[in-house]
Amino acid sequence: DTGVSQDPRHKITKRGQNVTFRCDPISEHNRLYWYRQTLGQGPEFLTYFQNEAQLEKSRLLSDRFSAERPKGSFSTLEIQRTEQGDSAMYLCASRTQSGSIQYFGAGTRLSVL
Amino acid sequence: AQSVSQHNHHVILSEAASLELGCNYSYGGTVNLFWYVQYPGQHLQLLLKYFSGDPLVKGIKGFEAEFIKSKFSFNLRKPSVQWSDTAEYFCAVIPSSGNTPLVFGKGTRLSVIA
Repeated sequence: DTGVSQDPRHKITKRGQNVTFRCDPISEHNRLYWYRQTLGQGPEFLTYFQNEAQLEKSRLLSDRFSAERPKGSFSTLEIQRTEQGDSAMYLCASRTQSGSIQYFGAGTRLSVL
Repeated sequence: AQSVSQHNHHVILSEAASLELGCNYSYGGTVNLFWYVQYPGQHLQLLLKYFSGDPLVKGIKGFEAEFIKSKFSFNLRKPSVQWSDTAEYFCAVIPSSGNTPLVFGKGTRLSVIA
């Protein structure tokens, strides 16, 4: 499978715990995006990378959230001290620098108890 | 900042009925427009896109959408739906210039009943 892959698919955690998600983009894509999707809403932008550089962060991304893409390939999204309001589907997408179409992974569903 | 409005939260149709899902966006400049579909348990997939040229665009699985610039609309249509079209449909917009991220509507859930 050469699409965008995300791991894990589901994560259940207790409030206050830290969680980390991984995204592997399509190999030749140098742009990588993170979105959050809650019930009844469309995906909302969180942050994006061009290669290893994080170029933009949404106001949705509180100080408890951090994302990295250290080698310009896979990316991780970490949430510290999780809260119940963090429960959502976290989506990753990638595209080429010149392309306009983003390709999405299946997402990581986070449930904070 | 741009925004997207999808008028219908949940649409229920019988098989073979015609479908039209509304999408309006707000942005003053030139935009690229997309419809994505999310089948139950699957990832978001591109259904069709409009960048420029013919405002009537055709996508996969018999879907089409019409860009009406004067109405800031990009409605999705299909003449005859099938049970397998049951899914959530998202309209999204991005300015043609610049590197801003996609802005999605809230989605429309389509349920097709036999």
